[in-house]
Amino acid sequence: QSALTQPASVSGSPGQSITISCTGTSSDVGGYNYVSWYQQHPGKAPKLMIYDVSNRPSGVSNRFSGSKSGNTASLTISGLQAGDEADYYCSSYTSSNTVLFGGGTKLTVL
Amino acid sequence: QVQLVESGGGLVKPGGSLRLSCAASGFTFSDYYMTWIRQAPGKGLEWVSYISTSGTSTKYADSVKGRFAISRDNAKDSLFLQMHSLRAEDTAVYYCARVFRSGSPLDYWGQGTLVTVSS
Repeated sequence: QSALTQPASVSGSPGQSITISCTGTSSDVGGYNYVSWYQQHPGKAPKLMIYDVSNRPSGVSNRFSGSKSGNTASLTISGLQAGDEADYYCSSYTSSNTVLFGGGTKLTVL
Repeated sequence: QVQLVESGGGLVKPGGSLRLSCAASGFTFSDYYMTWIRQAPGKGLEWVSYISTSGTSTKYADSVKGRFAISRDNAKDSLFLQMHSLRAEDTAVYYCARVFRSGSPLDYWGQGTLVTVSS
């Protein structure tokens, strides 16, 4: 299975909003509401930011939100802060009972 | 608090074997599925394997099927990944992560252990 498709990079200025897309197929993103988003700072382990398409774990800022339309999921970060600069990965449960990750998106805060 | 601590990584020659461990604490280990995820240097995340709460159900990525074996010891709150026939492309940081059930998010991750396959 090929990785879910994410843009390689996105950027925004402090205070702005950005959106990262994650495109799959009807066998993964489009078929289940089991899309998650992870934030990874350099040299650190990934951190869960969004699960089940649009739910935030306790402790995650409400500046992070998720949505899905068809085979494409999206992560939106509003009120960008310097600390948001990181790599972001989407993942989805698949019809093969496995997990598929996106290729990752590097977010730069200008 | 939930803690996952991987160990067992290191340098191994192509064709060699290695066994990774993940020590869990801060939660009821036997209530959760567990997974292994890897990340090659400078690359993205790749799901490797998962194991059910009892250990009776396992699943593997095609890239490791037949070479890797996941197991767990609920009495010792430990997760394992036995890796055989290692290849250069298996070089990566290996993370263990907690999953409530198949399809659930990976809500806690360890800090990772580096496996380098090189002659």
